[in-house]
Amino acid sequence: QVQLVESGGGVVQPGGSLRLSCAASGFALRSYAMHWVRQGPGKGLEWVAVISYDGSMKYYADSVKGRFTVSRDNSQNTLYLQMNTLRTEDTAVYYCARHRGGQLEVNYYYDYWGQGTLVTVSS
Amino acid sequence: DIQMTQSPSSLSASVGDRVTITCRASQSISTYLHWYQQKPGKAPKLLIYGASSLQSGVPSRFSGSGSGTDFTLTISSLQPEDFATYYCQQSYNTRCSFGQGTKLEIK
Repeated sequence: QVQLVESGGGVVQPGGSLRLSCAASGFALRSYAMHWVRQGPGKGLEWVAVISYDGSMKYYADSVKGRFTVSRDNSQNTLYLQMNTLRTEDTAVYYCARHRGGQLEVNYYYDYWGQGTLVTVSS
Repeated sequence: DIQMTQSPSSLSASVGDRVTITCRASQSISTYLHWYQQKPGKAPKLLIYGASSLQSGVPSRFSGSGSGTDFTLTISSLQPEDFATYYCQQSYNTRCSFGQGTKLEIK
């Protein structure tokens, strides 16, 4: 069965860095674009980033552009999110989610999500 | 950026009730609208994609409709397991966005 398992969350000081991982199983990661979506405490869902199936295309939310980098290792069935220069407003549960739909840029949705990993940015 | 507004923000209902949640987009998004259910401490779960297509395994009491800017999610007969928060998502462009959520509570 399809599984996505995030890891790497924790407590970090403002200005610090963290790398999240998302291990995929039960399907061929190399065939799917993947996204990161976050949810602040008691808040709604916010899209963070997307990476194409082969890693050649990446897009970011304006709120994280220049600070976060999404990458993938299809040979290891793993997705990553490198987060630098963290701010208190980055505090959230971070989910990886599998892209479904015909195109990377339009009419897509998420058919599988991981359980999430909590990132807390605090001094 | 496309803004998504859900109404109501919260709703109290009873088992067996018919419930409708509305999602409005700030511009036309065709049928690129999808619905998710989220329970406390859990990841969202896909219910409806493409405004009206039921995701495999989702009970038929869930249905979606709409196009352009106005969309609805209907639960025909509420079951105890349906009490959760519901989100709409637009994917008209690369940077998708979500509604603020509708919390469905037991009356």
